[in-house]
Amino acid sequence: SQKIEQNSEALNIQEGKTATLTCNYTNYSPAYLQWYRQDPGRGPVFLLLIRENEKEKRKERLKVTFDTTLKQSLFHITASQPADSATYLCALTTGGGNKLTFGTGTQLKVEL
Amino acid sequence: GAVVSQHPSWVICKSGTSVKIECRSLDFQATTMFWYRQFPKQSLMLMATSNEGSKATYEQGVEKDKFLINHASLTLSTLTVTSAHPEDSSFYICSARDHQNPSGNTIYFGEGSWLTVV
Repeated sequence: SQKIEQNSEALNIQEGKTATLTCNYTNYSPAYLQWYRQDPGRGPVFLLLIRENEKEKRKERLKVTFDTTLKQSLFHITASQPADSATYLCALTTGGGNKLTFGTGTQLKVEL
Repeated sequence: GAVVSQHPSWVICKSGTSVKIECRSLDFQATTMFWYRQFPKQSLMLMATSNEGSKATYEQGVEKDKFLINHASLTLSTLTVTSAHPEDSSFYICSARDHQNPSGNTIYFGEGSWLTVV
């Protein structure tokens, strides 16, 4: 069956450290993989998109890698801040590029 | 930047009544919009894909007669929860694809609508 898995347990890290979140998928061949941030009671906010032929993408303090052999994406936040605390969702583009299927999300808490 | 607006942000309705949620793309045209629901501490589950001028495509297990979707214009899709029951209480989120965006594959999300059925 198709699955998109993210660490279900919350990730607690200290301010200034690098947070690394994992997204693993099975039985998908996505053309794109996206990462979103979701704050409690709010809709997801788009962060980064990476294509299947790209290994790495960066945007300010964010970095995403995409390994289609391992079927895994890693999401890094460097120099983390308390304001980075949120739930981070990975999503695959499926259905011919017309649908987004979300992972379970990982809650990140950055502590002072 | 692109903005997707949902209305209402929250609504309380009586069991057995129907409630309509609107999703608007404010500064771009969206031929395709998506409706999701999200239960507390769970991920977003796609309910249906709304196509302008045609019938919506529902995901497996989603009752099309209960969750009516209308996409009458390039900037508006509506979701009507008919004969709502307490188990329909959830966070409903819409998203829209900006087909005119050069990158071509960015999907923008609304702020969500909280539905509570009492």
